[in-house]
Amino acid sequence: QVQLVESGGGVVQPGRSLRVSCAASGFTFSTYAIHWVRQAPGKGLEWVAVISYDGSNKYYADSVKGRFTISRDNSRNTLYLQMNSLRAEDTAVYYCARDEGVAVAGVFDYWGQGTLVTVSS
Amino acid sequence: EIVMTQSPATLSVSPGERATLSCRASQSVSTNLAWYQQKPGQAPRFLIYGASTRAPGIPARFSGSGSGTEFTLTISSLQSEDFAVYYCQQYNNWPPTFGQGTKVEIK
Repeated sequence: QVQLVESGGGVVQPGRSLRVSCAASGFTFSTYAIHWVRQAPGKGLEWVAVISYDGSNKYYADSVKGRFTISRDNSRNTLYLQMNSLRAEDTAVYYCARDEGVAVAGVFDYWGQGTLVTVSS
Repeated sequence: EIVMTQSPATLSVSPGERATLSCRASQSVSTNLAWYQQKPGQAPRFLIYGASTRAPGIPARFSGSGSGTEFTLTISSLQSEDFAVYYCQQYNNWPPTFGQGTKVEIK
């Protein structure tokens, strides 16, 4: 069955960096676009970034553009989100989510359980 | 970006009753609209795409309708496991955007 397992969250000071990961299994990882979606405590869902199946295309929300970098290693079935210059407002549970299509459709058919990133001094 | 507005914020329903949730887009999204269910402490679950097509494994009591700017998610007979927060999301325009959610609670 499709599984997405995030890791790497934690407490980090404002202005510092953190990398979270998403390990995929149960499907052919290299043929799907994958997204990061976040959810601040008690709030709704916010799309963060997406990477195409082969890593050739990447798109970001304006709120993270220039600070976050999405990447993938298809040999390791793993997705990454490098987060630099972190701010308090980046505090959230970060979910990886599979796109339901080969192309980037923006529909999220499977989600990981999330990893909590807390930005605080 | 397209703003998605859901109503009501909270819906109180008795088990076995029908629940009707609304979602409005700030501009037309055609039928490029999805619904997700989220229970406390869990990841969202994919329910519906294309405004009305159920995702695999989703029970028939969940149905979606609408096009353009007005959409509805109907749960025909609420089961105990259906009490959760529901989000609509458009994928017609970039970036994909979500509504703020409707919490369906036990009356």
